[in-house]
Amino acid sequence: AQRVTQPEKLLSVFKGAPVELKCNYSYSGSPELFWYVQYSRQRLQLLLRHISRESIKGFTADLNKGETSFHLKKPFAQEEDSAMYYCALITGTYKYIFGTGTRLKVLA
Amino acid sequence: SQTIHQWPATLVQPVGSPLSLECTVEGTSNPNLYWYRQAAGRGLQLLFYSIGIDQISSEVPQNLSASRPQDRQFILSSKKLLLSDSGFYLCAWSVPSGRALEQFFGPGTRLTVL
Repeated sequence: AQRVTQPEKLLSVFKGAPVELKCNYSYSGSPELFWYVQYSRQRLQLLLRHISRESIKGFTADLNKGETSFHLKKPFAQEEDSAMYYCALITGTYKYIFGTGTRLKVLA
Repeated sequence: SQTIHQWPATLVQPVGSPLSLECTVEGTSNPNLYWYRQAAGRGLQLLFYSIGIDQISSEVPQNLSASRPQDRQFILSSKKLLLSDSGFYLCAWSVPSGRALEQFFGPGTRLTVL
């Protein structure tokens, strides 16, 4: 079955601490994975995609096919990183499967 | 530039009443269009997607239906709302290429069924 799992509903870290938001997927094909973010009172928006291999706002995510994971990491959390984060997988050409989301709270 | 609109922003409806939520996209042609429901603890659940006029796929059998009467208009409907239809409904679009890319989301509609 095609699935995206985000095991943590809530993750609280202190400002300046490292952050890792976990994402695991189940997909028999070649995966394309994304991280989306929703800040308070803003629209859901793309944060980064694995094919770009980019760092956005200090966040990176590496696709690990052996562990079927796409964890989102940032070495030093900032208060403005507090938001809801969703991991997403594209199956076929049109369908997205989203995880249940992780709410990140960065404490001062 | 492209924009996506949804309305209404909030809606309170009694059980058994009909529903019509509208989504329109500007600045692009033949977009892929999507309806999601966002529920606490359940993430984003894909309800419908459309790759063209009158080409709509349903992902979750339920009390809802979708229509695409125009290229850039996507409507979510119900004939009789249930309590379980309450939630936050998001419309999204993506570029009409051979592979789905970034999705752009609307502001959402908060639906409360009483």
